[in-house]
Amino acid sequence: DAEITQSPRHKITETGRQVTLACHQTWNHNNMFWYRQDLGHGLRLIHYSYGVQDTNKGEVSDGYSVSRSNTEDLPLTLESAASSQTSVYFCASSTGFSGDTQYFGPGTRLTVL
Amino acid sequence: AQSVTQPDIHITVSEGASLELRCNYSYGATPYLFWYVQSPGQGLQLLLKYFSGDTLVQGIKGFEAEFKRSQSSFNLRKPSVHWSDAAEYFCAVGGGFYFGSGTKLNVKP
Repeated sequence: DAEITQSPRHKITETGRQVTLACHQTWNHNNMFWYRQDLGHGLRLIHYSYGVQDTNKGEVSDGYSVSRSNTEDLPLTLESAASSQTSVYFCASSTGFSGDTQYFGPGTRLTVL
Repeated sequence: AQSVTQPDIHITVSEGASLELRCNYSYGATPYLFWYVQSPGQGLQLLLKYFSGDTLVQGIKGFEAEFKRSQSSFNLRKPSVHWSDAAEYFCAVGGGFYFGSGTKLNVKP
């Protein structure tokens, strides 16, 4: 069965370190998204991609970067982790149609000390 | 600016009672509208979605939602809540760009 996975599921890091969160989907979807979820804010879009070599900034992109070298993967990098980036991160994918369902990964809980 | 508002942060209902979760949106064009559910420690799962046509949309697990353009609303309903419906519910508009802040549903036995 097709799926979307995230790794690691839990991560503790220190301020200033670079961190990369992995997202892998086997749906063969063109669109991939990264969100962060914080209490009271719902899901906020960090970055998104409409296909290989395409990346775009979302609402809260400062301090984050992504790259899309193949269809299956969209890793999220925190260049220099800050305590304000402690959050739960979700990856999602969908087909190229903007009204299509998004399929979400299980999330990564990141703590920055 | 586009946005989604879920006015109720927490709602508690008794098992067997009816449920309505509110969602208001601001969007320039005819919106694609979604409701997702998130169980504790899980990702989000689609309940239902609206593209066009019939304004009453049926979803999984006995949920339905009604699109009201005049009120810019897309409220989620269920006639009889089950204990397993306890979760957080998110309204979303567009192709993944705008989510509400969520409504946490508690179900009393």
